[in-house]
Amino acid sequence: AQTVTQSQPEMSVQEAETVTLSCTYDTSESNYYLFWYKQPPSRQMILVIRQEAYKQQNATENRFSVNFQKAAKSFSLKISDSQLGDTAMYFCAFMTPPWGRALVFGKGTRLSVIA
Amino acid sequence: AAGVIQSPRHLIKEKRETATLKCYPIPRHDTVYWYQQGPGQDPQFLISFYEKMQSDKGSIPDRFSAQQFSDYHSELNMSSLELGDSALYFCASSSGAEDTEAFFGQGTRLTVV
Repeated sequence: AQTVTQSQPEMSVQEAETVTLSCTYDTSESNYYLFWYKQPPSRQMILVIRQEAYKQQNATENRFSVNFQKAAKSFSLKISDSQLGDTAMYFCAFMTPPWGRALVFGKGTRLSVIA
Repeated sequence: AAGVIQSPRHLIKEKRETATLKCYPIPRHDTVYWYQQGPGQDPQFLISFYEKMQSDKGSIPDRFSAQQFSDYHSELNMSSLELGDSALYFCASSSGAEDTEAFFGQGTRLTVV
């Protein structure tokens, strides 16, 4: 069974600084997807970024980027120029294709951005 | 852009009652997922459907059932409700044909009293 581990229950960062959230996973599959979802206080689940395992290039979405280390089974999220609106719970998630299979979530990291 | 629509947004039920949660996926999405998120917890996968057939099954209690209809909307039926069923229930949708990831609705907050 696939597992996702987020070892940092809580983190804080000063506004405009950079922060990195860690995620490791365990799987015997070679083809899979990895995601970071953000859940602000409204509790809406918002997709931040997506990475396909077969792609060596790390995904980037504006201020959000990942460091995907397939051999180490590591998938960290870097947030640059942190903003107050980035305050949220961040979940790392894993899925094997095809679409329709379950997303497996980590326990989450609560990020607070401080002014 | 259209998003996943869930109804109702809030629901209060008594123990042993039944509840029905509805989910309307993003247009052209053929896959629907249901998740349960307790307070302070990560979302737990319940069940998913692809093209109206069950695709994957997680920790869904036998008291719960779900289906996807011909118009791709889905309903989660919950019977003999227990206090422990109080949670936020998310529906998400994706498109296998268009290779899009799961987009989540705003959730239905169920409170069992």
